[in-house]
Amino acid sequence: AQKVTQAQTEISVVEKEDVTLDCVYETRDTTYYLFWYKQPPSGELVFLIRRNSFDEQNEISGRYSWNFQKSTSSFNFTITASQVVDSAVYFCALSNAGGTSYGKLTFGQGTILTVHP
Amino acid sequence: GAGVSQSPSNKVTEKGKDVELRCDPISGHTALYWYRQSLGQGLEFLIYFQGNSAPDKSGLPSDRFSAERTGGSVSTLTIQRTQQEDSAVYLCASSLTGQTYNEQFFGPGTRLTVL
Repeated sequence: AQKVTQAQTEISVVEKEDVTLDCVYETRDTTYYLFWYKQPPSGELVFLIRRNSFDEQNEISGRYSWNFQKSTSSFNFTITASQVVDSAVYFCALSNAGGTSYGKLTFGQGTILTVHP
Repeated sequence: GAGVSQSPSNKVTEKGKDVELRCDPISGHTALYWYRQSLGQGLEFLIYFQGNSAPDKSGLPSDRFSAERTGGSVSTLTIQRTQQEDSAVYLCASSLTGQTYNEQFFGPGTRLTVL
């Protein structure tokens, strides 16, 4: 079985603060993919990043960065200098690559991020 | 259109009625997924289509739920004899293939309210 845990239900920050969203996962598979999605108030899930289990390099994209640590089964997401437009629900998700996984996503419960002006 | 579309955007129904939810995936995407988002359960996988076949229906919560896909394109999720616990947002996603590394593109969802 696989599981994704986002322990932070809600986070509130003031604009320009840095914020880190935690994600811990469980899987028995050795090959898997991890994802982050953003769900703004409009409701549509927006893909942010994909990382495979063999690539532990951290990634930075503008104000966003991701820290993947296999040793702790974590895939944390940091927003630097947060902005009001970053306010959304953020989901971490896991998909196993082997066998008949078909790309099915297992999601965490989501973290509601509110950035105040 | 360029993205995944779903209809209706909102559906209010009475307990015991049947409902049909529609998903139009991105053209050329062979894989289609249905998920459900509810307050108590978060985002859950329901069913996966590859073309018109559904090799994974493991997330359908009961036999009141069924889905089909025709022409390798449009999919319909049907809920029979709706119950209040079926109230949720039903999300559809498509991807180029069913490979794990393919990004899934999500539609805006159908918000179902069962009175």
